[in-house]
Amino acid sequence: GEDVEQSLFLSVREGDSSVINCTYTDSSSTYLYWYKQEPGAGLQLLTYIFSNMDMKQDQRLTVLLNKKDKHLSLRIADTQTGDSAIYFCADFGNTGKLIFGQGTTLQVKP
Amino acid sequence: KAGVTQTPRYLIKTRGQQVTLSCSPISGHRSVSWYQQTPGQGLQFLFEYFSETQRNKGNFPGRFSGRQFSNSRSEMNVSTLELGDSALYLCASSTGTGDGYTFGSGTRLTVV
Repeated sequence: GEDVEQSLFLSVREGDSSVINCTYTDSSSTYLYWYKQEPGAGLQLLTYIFSNMDMKQDQRLTVLLNKKDKHLSLRIADTQTGDSAIYFCADFGNTGKLIFGQGTTLQVKP
Repeated sequence: KAGVTQTPRYLIKTRGQQVTLSCSPISGHRSVSWYQQTPGQGLQFLFEYFSETQRNKGNFPGRFSGRQFSNSRSEMNVSTLELGDSALYLCASSTGTGDGYTFGSGTRLTVV
């Protein structure tokens, strides 16, 4: 079946940029999503990109998509302590459902 | 624009009981999907409803069922609860084409 992989942990200093990476296997992917989850909360939609796009920018967030390598990244500029959370990458394709990665825990040190 | 509303936020049930969870999607969204999140299995797809019809189903036993009403609100039912059903249940609302998948805050179910 289709799969999405993410590294499990990233630690950065406040004010630095964070880059969270994701790879997927779905050749029929149409949308790729990034969600943020804080402890005890649901999934907050951060941004998503249509598969025919290479890049999308939204304030401090930049999404890069390399469709050839099936690689997606989320860059957070000027990372703040409030950005500490788990970040999930998810793929929507022919399966008709979101396929999620395991989540990347972002730790922001003051 | 109101977001996705899930009720209740927390539930504690006893093994063998049944439970019903509710989800109201974003206005204009016709698709509602349900996911289960556990520490061991991560996020797993339960089912999707579109225009009152189940359009897609995950690999969960028949104890898990759902329905969707004409106003797009959806309910999920779990019968004969087991300890392993303890999880965060998340509902997602979308247009139905994979666009704009937005989640609610979830219902935390604890089975004792």
